[in-house]
Amino acid sequence: DGGITQSPKYLFRKEGQNVTLSCEQNLNHDAMYWYRQDPGQGLRLIYYSQIVNDFQKGDIAEGYSVSREKKESFPLTVTSAQKNPTAFYLCASGGLSSLDEQYFGPGTRLTVT
Amino acid sequence: SQKIEQNSEALNIQEGKTATLTCNYTNYSPAYLQWYRQDPGRGPVFLLLIRENEKEKRKERLKVTFDTTLKQSLFHITASQPADSATYLCALESWEYGNKLVFGAGTILRVKS
Repeated sequence: DGGITQSPKYLFRKEGQNVTLSCEQNLNHDAMYWYRQDPGQGLRLIYYSQIVNDFQKGDIAEGYSVSREKKESFPLTVTSAQKNPTAFYLCASGGLSSLDEQYFGPGTRLTVT
Repeated sequence: SQKIEQNSEALNIQEGKTATLTCNYTNYSPAYLQWYRQDPGRGPVFLLLIRENEKEKRKERLKVTFDTTLKQSLFHITASQPADSATYLCALESWEYGNKLVFGAGTILRVKS
């Protein structure tokens, strides 16, 4: 099956710990994205990547880091520097054209206490 | 400032009626708009794309309009069914935003039988 997967579905961490969210796609898409979704707000872009070994900051990159060592994988690390990490995190992939739709993963709900 | 606004209140309609959802934007010049459906706890799924030079786009029971003068897109679901109940997100691509997608917060649609 072609698609985009995220794991785990739910993640619980203590404040002060770094945590890494996984995102894998087998759609052969060049572009990958990480969004954060909070209640009552639109999806906000954290980081995106259009090619292996290259990525750009989105609107809310502070406290997050990413890597793109393989085309299929785009993990997101939520560091202890992120002030409000509890949120629903969505990974997406798509083509390089600005007209291309984005394919979203099922999301990871992170709770930090 | 730049804004995308969707009805924050849920839209409740009776089965069989037409649901109309609104997406208004300010201080953007989008080349196109996309509409996505999101079910609770899941990632958004792409529905339709409409370009700035298209007035209307249809797909089965779905219809999208795009009025660049009013800076508004309308999303219609005809003969609505309870299975259409979900949150609907609009997203626009704008050169002012580096050709990345900007998402609205979404409108919850509830179709009652």
